[in-house]
Amino acid sequence: DTGVSQNPRHKITKRGQNVTFRCDPISEHNRLYWYRQTLGQGPEFLTYFQNEAQLEKSRLLSDRFSAERPKGSFSTLEIQRTEQGDSAMYLCASTLRRVGEASNTGELFFGEGSRLTVL
Amino acid sequence: AQSVAQPEDQVNVAEGNPLTVKCTYSVSGNPYLFWYVQYPNRGLQFLLKYITGDNLVKGSYGFEAEFNKSQTSFHLKKPSALVSDSALYFCAVRDPSHQTGANNLFFGTGTRLTVIP
Repeated sequence: DTGVSQNPRHKITKRGQNVTFRCDPISEHNRLYWYRQTLGQGPEFLTYFQNEAQLEKSRLLSDRFSAERPKGSFSTLEIQRTEQGDSAMYLCASTLRRVGEASNTGELFFGEGSRLTVL
Repeated sequence: AQSVAQPEDQVNVAEGNPLTVKCTYSVSGNPYLFWYVQYPNRGLQFLLKYITGDNLVKGSYGFEAEFNKSQTSFHLKKPSALVSDSALYFCAVRDPSHQTGANNLFFGTGTRLTVIP
């Protein structure tokens, strides 16, 4: 399968624990995004990477959240000291931004998501 | 700031009838507009996009959407609905002129489409 892969698909944890999600994008894609989706809402942007550089972070990304993409391929999203309000589906997406492209016209390709439940 | 509104949480349509899922947007510049579909336990799947050019764009599974600048709308349509079209549909916008949001997609809250056999 050559799509975006996320794991684990489901994570149940107790409040205060740390969790980490991994995303493997489509191999030739240089941009990687993290979104959060709660019930009844559309996906909300968290952060994105161009290769290994984290270029933008949403105000939703509190200090307890950290994302990395160390080699410009897979990415991890860590949530420290989880709270019940962190319960959500965490979505990863990737796209290819071509050199010389004036602006990003490409669609995002999404993984199936990692569902977090904080008890 | 850019935003998207999907005024209907739920749309029901009989199989074989035409369907419309509504979307309006707000951006400061010229928008890039997208439709995605989400089936149960599946990731978001891209359906179609409008970047520039012809206001009527065609996408996957027989869907199309019409960009209307004066009404700031990008409604999703299909001439004849199938039961298998039942899913959650999201409209999304990107504003390439926006200083910090030019590279992000902003999503609406979604519309659940149910096609009744």
